[in-house]
Amino acid sequence: QSVLTQPPSVSEAPRQRVTISCSGSSSNIGNNAVHWYQQLPGKAPKVLIYYEDLLPSGVSDRFSGSKSGTSASLAISGLQSEDEADYYCAAWDDSLNGYVFGTGTKVTVL
Amino acid sequence: EVQVVESGGGLVKPGGSLRLSCAASGFTFSSYTMNWVRQAPGRGPEWVSSISSSSSYIYYADSVKGRFTISRDNAKNSLYLQMNSLRAEDTAVYYCARDRDSGSYHLDYWGQGTLVTVSS
Repeated sequence: QSVLTQPPSVSEAPRQRVTISCSGSSSNIGNNAVHWYQQLPGKAPKVLIYYEDLLPSGVSDRFSGSKSGTSASLAISGLQSEDEADYYCAAWDDSLNGYVFGTGTKVTVL
Repeated sequence: EVQVVESGGGLVKPGGSLRLSCAASGFTFSSYTMNWVRQAPGRGPEWVSSISSSSSYIYYADSVKGRFTISRDNAKNSLYLQMNSLRAEDTAVYYCARDRDSGSYHLDYWGQGTLVTVSS
């Protein structure tokens, strides 16, 4: 069981907006950088957001991230069918002395 | 073009050993911390281990500590994972991933993965 908790699934219609939460603690999100990964079916994870709110080159600006205290969020606006994937938050945990991934959220476009 | 390519996966019996390799190209391998991340079937990613650029700092997940050993050869642009005393729960796709900012765990490049199956 991961120390970073995400909702198992979210779904919304095309062109709408969804938000995925990631709840942690002071030993991980509260004290370290949060990164978000997207995993398409059968593919390796790919970094989507790094250092809470930065977008890698080539990632659509429909994706955005934020952090407040011991929680972080990923938002996807203008939802498209190609956004159907699993999304994971991740952060270093000072207590575990390890890098932890969130429980994962499956995004479905209705 | 940055590339990391894993190899060495396969079928092994419980209690057996396996050595994974990761060949890196397209970047100065010796300047980056590298990681192994695994993903069991139907599960999310699980970080396994990391090694700093000069091998000075090495970390392991509790689930593999004492059984797995990470190493690197900067002259060969290669990363390794020696896995001993393998268990059924070690069955997973194992990915090699680069840490862009050494210690930030911003894993910016991942390989395609190599499948390890532990079964009798």
